[in-house]
Amino acid sequence: KQEVTQIPAALSVPEGENLVLNCSFTDSAIYNLQWFRQDPGKGLTSLLLIQSSQREQTSGRLNASLDKSSGRSTLYIAASQPGDSATYLCAVRPNDMRFGAGTRLTVKP
Amino acid sequence: GAGVSQSPRYKVAKRGQDVALRCDPISGHVSLFWYQQALGQGPEFLTYFQNEAQLDKSGLPSDRFFAERPEGSVSTLKIQRTQQEDSAVYLCASSPGTGELFFGEGSRLTVL
Repeated sequence: KQEVTQIPAALSVPEGENLVLNCSFTDSAIYNLQWFRQDPGKGLTSLLLIQSSQREQTSGRLNASLDKSSGRSTLYIAASQPGDSATYLCAVRPNDMRFGAGTRLTVKP
Repeated sequence: GAGVSQSPRYKVAKRGQDVALRCDPISGHVSLFWYQQALGQGPEFLTYFQNEAQLDKSGLPSDRFFAERPEGSVSTLKIQRTQQEDSAVYLCASSPGTGELFFGEGSRLTVL
């Protein structure tokens, strides 16, 4: 069974810092990996989707990388802002999509 | 519609009551997923449809949980004889052929 782990569980940084969130998975036979953002009491907002044949995806200040062989993905956030404060979740997909428990990010003004 | 729509957003049920949660996916999305999210946890997979076919229901926690998507569009998750441990947020997601998932706002169920 696919297991997804996210480290750290929580992270607090001052505004303007660059930061990295980590995601690891146990089964490298994935179709894709998706990063989401979840604000309190809200659903999940898709940030980036990396297909299994891709190594990275970029959107604005966000960059996600994928290393299937090592079972790892990282989400890089540049020049963090208070509005980035949320829980960030990664999920990997064969048929269904398996989620990690998330990293709760707080960016202090 | 523009996004995945779920209703009701909030539901309070007495233990033993039956509840039904509705999901309207993005138009044209063939795949539909249901997840259960406990407080402070990531979403846990419940079941998956491709059009009207339920291809995977391995995540449904008991036979009190039942999902359907009879016409390949709207889906309903039904929970019979609710128990306190069923309290959670139930998330619905739909997906086009790219594999990217788009989530609704969720239905928060509280069982008293």
